[in-house]
Amino acid sequence: TQLLEQSPQFLSIQEGENLTVYCNSSSVFSSLQWYRQEPGEGPVLLVTVVTGGEVKKLKRLTFQFGDARKDSSLHITAAQPGDTGLYLCAGEYAGKSTFGDGTTLTVKP
Amino acid sequence: DAGITQSPRHKVTETGTPVTLRCHQTENHRYMYWYRQDPGHGLRLIHYSYGVKDTDKGEVSDGYSVSRSKTEDFLLTLESATSSQTSVYFCAILAGASDTQYFGPGTRLTVL
Repeated sequence: TQLLEQSPQFLSIQEGENLTVYCNSSSVFSSLQWYRQEPGEGPVLLVTVVTGGEVKKLKRLTFQFGDARKDSSLHITAAQPGDTGLYLCAGEYAGKSTFGDGTTLTVKP
Repeated sequence: DAGITQSPRHKVTETGTPVTLRCHQTENHRYMYWYRQDPGHGLRLIHYSYGVKDTDKGEVSDGYSVSRSKTEDFLLTLESATSSQTSVYFCAILAGASDTQYFGPGTRLTVL
């Protein structure tokens, strides 16, 4: 069974601060996805990373896939209250995905 | 939203009753999945399908069965619901060049 560990589990910060959340595994994945989920809704895809060492930027969000394709990080610059939500990472291999338990982010105004 | 709908969106039922949840997609995707999500946790795979009448178990399949008689519909059945099956159930399809999963809006199931 492939496992993904996300850290921290909970994060509460003030508007304007920077933060990084992590997604780690001992398994290699073909690709890794980051999702954001708001209460009462399904996860919404933020990004897919495929190549080891890949870095993708989405406005204030920066995603990095580890060189060995076993881990990833999500960095948010100048967090805003609208960034509040549950951030999930998922590793894909052979058509199936393994999800981490998520990081619950709260950004206070 | 990848054209995925789930029905019902909310259901309350009693222990021991059968329950069927429906996932419908409009874009002819081959792979479909059922997950459950419990408070404070990520998503755990129940069953998945890789084509009409082709299904396989996920990590938490006990107490659940699935059927896929046509491409657009993937049904999840709880033969005899238990309180431990109270959860939010999400359907997903696999799409895109990078084989990414896209999720439906979810069904909140409460078993009393």
